[in-house]
Amino acid sequence: EAGVAQSPRYKIIEKRQSVAFWCNPISGHATLYWYQQILGQGPKLLIQFQNNGVVDDSQLPKDRFSAERLKGVDSTLKIQPAKLEDSAVYLCASSFVTQERSDYGYTFGSGTRLTVV
Amino acid sequence: AQKITQTQPGMFVQEKEAVTLDCTYDTSDQSYGLFWYKQPSSGEMIFLIYQGSYDEQNATEGRYSLNFQKARKSANLVISASQLGDSAMYFCAMRGMNSGGYQKVTFGTGTKLQVIP
Repeated sequence: EAGVAQSPRYKIIEKRQSVAFWCNPISGHATLYWYQQILGQGPKLLIQFQNNGVVDDSQLPKDRFSAERLKGVDSTLKIQPAKLEDSAVYLCASSFVTQERSDYGYTFGSGTRLTVV
Repeated sequence: AQKITQTQPGMFVQEKEAVTLDCTYDTSDQSYGLFWYKQPSSGEMIFLIYQGSYDEQNATEGRYSLNFQKARKSANLVISASQLGDSAMYFCAMRGMNSGGYQKVTFGTGTKLQVIP
């Protein structure tokens, strides 16, 4: 089965510019997650979708970050305007699991490495 | 609220030796799961092993085993017969539920393992 696809792989932008990341989850996975991983830290959940609805965006800086998941499949994460502290790897993950317990971990994409200069 | 603590920022191990990576957790959930992920320098997150809170046996997957001590709230990863390819960041993570009843996974800060020839 194909994995979680993310693009672009790398992105360098100047502060105050905008940027968008794209994620295509594994086919049939209802749950999609966006994580921010700052260098030397663990991934931090930004937003979680169940199909095309948001179920957790408590750690999303909503003044500059936005995300959508049209038709419950692909998702985009946008930052506008970017700040220096947004430099990080942005990981997308998907899973079958909804409210059921499962012993399957997430499947992660390869991530997008963002550098804000 | 749930929290994962990894107190070892970095570890060294001789090739072919065993190594234990520490993880402690805190949660008020009665049912939860614990994961370990490997993140090589290339950046992808690789699922290694899972332990459910009600599982009576410690989980094992090849050279990986999870030393689960529920009363002490610890879930240490043991890697036997270390190989050079095991050099990577290792993250402990816990699955619980958010306030909306959906699965939420929280990651620790990671341990960087370096295997010495």
